[in-house]
Amino acid sequence: DSGVTQTPKHLITATGQRVTLRCSPRSGDLSVYWYQQSLDQGLQFLIQYYNGEERAKGNILERFSAQQFPDLHSELNLSSLELGDSALYFCASSAATGPNTEAFFGQGTRLTVV
Amino acid sequence: GNSVTQMEGPVTLSEEAFLTINCTYTATGYPSLFWYVQYPGEGLQLLLKATKADDKGSNKGFEATYRKETTSFHLEKGSVQVSDSAVYFCALKRSGGYQKVTFGIGTKLQVIP
Repeated sequence: DSGVTQTPKHLITATGQRVTLRCSPRSGDLSVYWYQQSLDQGLQFLIQYYNGEERAKGNILERFSAQQFPDLHSELNLSSLELGDSALYFCASSAATGPNTEAFFGQGTRLTVV
Repeated sequence: GNSVTQMEGPVTLSEEAFLTINCTYTATGYPSLFWYVQYPGEGLQLLLKATKADDKGSNKGFEATYRKETTSFHLEKGSVQVSDSAVYFCALKRSGGYQKVTFGIGTKLQVIP
């Protein structure tokens, strides 16, 4: 168990809809990362938050947004969903300081858009 | 910017064969290097890491050495098992909690009995 919790584990929704994915980081971790993993694209970095503020942005579509709340949990909002958004969405967290700030991953949310 | 290049798979080996998965990186400064493993249907787990040049990370029979002169962090295992079948990701991260992790594309390993 990595200590990172993602909900829900599975989500099936229709095109055009909006969904929210939730992530609770490991206790004390200030950094939260979101990744998308699809069969043909590998692991794509979407966005990172550090202590409530956006820190880095990757290949995140304008239809997607995220935020990190004061209690450090994070949500990834996906709107106007398309079939191509079907993928595994991973959240990861890492500690604030020190050299060994590796990322710990949750089990992922499998999103299926039909 | 930072980047990680790893060999494309899939790699298919017989049980007890020797495994090498190549990984090279480009980064400013002195990043930490990682190998993550993703078993079917699961999230990514840290397999091993090295935080400075010439460090060797090891776990579960896997090893990788941080080679600054060749900017490489190749993953090796002397004798693979069927249970090692998974996707392996090389990654780097500069120190500091606010730095993001940069991943390679992943290499799928299939070990056949």
